[in-house]
Amino acid sequence: QQQVKQSPQSLIVQKGGISIINCAYENTAFDYFPWYQQFPGKGPALLIAIRPDVSEKKEGRFTISFNKSAKQFSLHIMDSQPGDSATYFCAASIWNAGNMLTFGGGTRLMVKP
Amino acid sequence: DTAVSQTPKYLVTQMGNDKSIKCEQNLGHDTMYWYKQDSKKFLKIMFSYNNKELIINETVPNRFSPKSPDKAHLNLHINSLELGDSAVYFCASSGYNTEAFFGQGTRLTVV
Repeated sequence: QQQVKQSPQSLIVQKGGISIINCAYENTAFDYFPWYQQFPGKGPALLIAIRPDVSEKKEGRFTISFNKSAKQFSLHIMDSQPGDSATYFCAASIWNAGNMLTFGGGTRLMVKP
Repeated sequence: DTAVSQTPKYLVTQMGNDKSIKCEQNLGHDTMYWYKQDSKKFLKIMFSYNNKELIINETVPNRFSPKSPDKAHLNLHINSLELGDSAVYFCASSGYNTEAFFGQGTRLTVV
């Protein structure tokens, strides 16, 4: 059973465009929703994270939108750059229960110059 | 300084062998983890461990076992390796009220 579903699997965006990746979760006990960025040959690195008490969080060009009632959250990358080309993973966890991350399937983003 | 370091980075071994992957973190975190990333890039938790509790993902075969000599280390032992164990294994750590930091990964190839 896939508890966190992510779409799309791959995404091609022109430089300067907006990249949008969506995730949906099933377990209502999840209370921490991070996004990780992974470059080839590297480990995942935290990009931005949100708790369900807010509906949006913005850090630079990256914004998480969170809809608790729909059990969905999304990552928006504004002014996408070629350096943003990577695989993005959404994840969810129960923060006070060991913070074991359940990952979505990943989105391979390519930003064309 | 690397926050979470794993060795080796690459490991090629034959079926049936026993191997270990080492992980060390210098962040002072209490909890360490092992994740497996398969050929389709899907990431899955294998273990969570702190000095009080080991949590095992029920889907992990008992050929896999974590060993923690101290708070800064969590090694992964794998017995009787199978072809399907080929994957990238990531160690991670987190502290109280901090996010998880991942190592660079160990690419295991079983031939």
